[in-house]
Amino acid sequence: AQKVTQAQTEISVVEKEDVTLDCVYETRDTTYYLFWYKQPPSGELVFLIRRNSFDEQNEISGRYSWNFQKSTSSFNFTITASQVVDSAVYFCALSEWGGNTGKLIFGQGTTLQVKP
Amino acid sequence: NAGVTQTPKFRILKIGQSMTLQCTQDMNHNYMYWYRQDPGMGLKLIYYSVGAGITDKGEVPNGYNVSRSTTEDFPLRLELAAPSQTSVYFCASSYSPSGGPMNQETQYFGPGTRLLVL
Repeated sequence: AQKVTQAQTEISVVEKEDVTLDCVYETRDTTYYLFWYKQPPSGELVFLIRRNSFDEQNEISGRYSWNFQKSTSSFNFTITASQVVDSAVYFCALSEWGGNTGKLIFGQGTTLQVKP
Repeated sequence: NAGVTQTPKFRILKIGQSMTLQCTQDMNHNYMYWYRQDPGMGLKLIYYSVGAGITDKGEVPNGYNVSRSTTEDFPLRLELAAPSQTSVYFCASSYSPSGGPMNQETQYFGPGTRLLVL
């Protein structure tokens, strides 16, 4: 069965600290996609990144970076020099390839609070 | 280009009432999805559609129905509302051309509908 685990329920940091959000996934598929979404207090889901299973290169986008390691089935997300506006719930998700439906399996989410 | 729109934003239902949650996308996406998000939890898939006229069940379909008569619209119907259906409902869409999993595009979400069943 496919599963996404975000073991950190809540994280609280002070502004300008670096913070890493963990994501561990389980799948028997050899081809899959991993995603990170942000859900700010306003409630919408904002797409952050997509990574396919054949691309293990780390990615950096501004203050955001992602570390994908197939050997440990992890896809961790780091925010450098956190800001108050980063306060949100962050979801890691795995796409399911059975039947080529593209369905997403979400982790439970990590609530990040950045204090000024 | 509005993306994915959902109506209503918020609704209170009495037990046993019915309602339809509307979802429309203007991106010509072939795949559409309905998820629900319970408090403190991730999203769970209710139903999905890979194209007009084709729908299938997700992880938690009981108590819901869907239809997909057009590419743009994917309404979710609640029959006989129950307190367990109190949740936030998200509609999403994506484009997947023929060619298999390597071509899957990102799912984009609507703003959500908050439903309270009392």
